[in-house]
Amino acid sequence: DAGVTQSPTHLIKTRGQHVTLRCSPISGHKSVSWYQQVLGQGPQFIFQYYEKEERGRGNFPDRFSARQFPNYSSELNVNALLLGDSALYLCASSLDPSPSENTIYFGEGSWLTVV
Amino acid sequence: AQSVTQLGSHVSVSEGALVLLRCNYSSSVPPYLFWYVQYPNQGLQLLLKYTSAATLVKGINGFEAEFKKSETSFHLTKPSAHMSDAAEYFCAVSGSGYQKVTFGTGTKLQVIP
Repeated sequence: DAGVTQSPTHLIKTRGQHVTLRCSPISGHKSVSWYQQVLGQGPQFIFQYYEKEERGRGNFPDRFSARQFPNYSSELNVNALLLGDSALYLCASSLDPSPSENTIYFGEGSWLTVV
Repeated sequence: AQSVTQLGSHVSVSEGALVLLRCNYSSSVPPYLFWYVQYPNQGLQLLLKYTSAATLVKGINGFEAEFKKSETSFHLTKPSAHMSDAAEYFCAVSGSGYQKVTFGTGTKLQVIP
């Protein structure tokens, strides 16, 4: 079975531009979360979606937005890119949003470089 | 709010030696604790998790961790390091129910032949 798939794997954007990152969860998983991992740091929680509704939001500015589609895939959008947005963006999926009850599976991430 | 502190950003051990990676947690509610491993240019893989069923948790690849409430610790150990264990390890915590996972800053493990 396919794991969590993310696209694109690498991309370079210019400051001020917009980026869309995509994630397909494991088949049957209805919860998707997004994390930002800056080089040398641990992942930071951005969003969690379950059954197409936002269930959690981390401490990120409104330039960051996301949505989940009827097939449970998800998009992360970042507007007005800043140099500090350069990071590995990880998508994770699970059956439901409870990490105590379900194993969370991570994709390999999308490397975003802002120049 | 929950948080974890990982002591030591880099740890070096000889092949065959004991691996000990330290993690202390802070939580206002009974925590759920995790250890993840990240190999270069890859995503995160769950090694093990503590969900209050047993204080000694066994995970994959020979790793285990012990939950010590009195010390607020959840250290990761492996009796004998293998070259393939070289990676970055993250301790993480969450509350019950629909809670986000909060990660530590990570510890890079180097295994010396």
